[in-house]
Amino acid sequence: DAGITQSPRHKVTETGTPVTLRCHQTENHRYMYWYRQDPGHGLRLIHYSYGVKDTDKGEVSDGYSVSRSKTEDFLLTLESATSSQTSVYFCAIRDFYEQYFGPGTRLTVT
Amino acid sequence: QKEVEQNSGPLSVPEGAIASLNCTYSDRGSQSFFWYRQYSGKSPELIMFIYSNGDKEDGRFTAQLNKASQYVSLLIRDSQPSDSATYLCAVLIQGAQKLVFGQGTRLTINP
Repeated sequence: DAGITQSPRHKVTETGTPVTLRCHQTENHRYMYWYRQDPGHGLRLIHYSYGVKDTDKGEVSDGYSVSRSKTEDFLLTLESATSSQTSVYFCAIRDFYEQYFGPGTRLTVT
Repeated sequence: QKEVEQNSGPLSVPEGAIASLNCTYSDRGSQSFFWYRQYSGKSPELIMFIYSNGDKEDGRFTAQLNKASQYVSLLIRDSQPSDSATYLCAVLIQGAQKLVFGQGTRLTINP
């Protein structure tokens, strides 16, 4: 499973509240990614990181921020959650060119 | 034109037959291609990757790449009901550090 965990696995929150999702890896991979998956849209990249404190935007970054203060942790923050951010969020790591995914977090914003 | 396109299906194949999944991509400079399998409610699982023109076989799975036609396919031989899932094609865009995914093809293997 590439040593990737995500927390929480499920979360229900209210519109306007901040939410932080955590991705943790145990194998010291340099690259980490956050995706969201929605019916009809497939997997879309939110942000990615290529090292500690090095991050870049993906195709759907509005409303999201990320931080990576340690190699093993990549945090995704929704500063003020909206209903459009209800989704399944996947973290991934890259090993050479291949990406491996964590188990996912199902987020519902009411 | 989408960067990576797949037929969304559903594709229905009888058990024991060959399932053929197709994917086209628009970036002619793309070098690396991946197939993921995703069961309902689970995360995508990497099952094949291919970097060179031609065929790559791994057990019942064969990935085929034709860069001239910008086409990559996945063949599943002796299909089993456990192969029923959504299959995602992904392409590493030239010069980028990120994958672009197709929408996925839903495959159903009928006993």
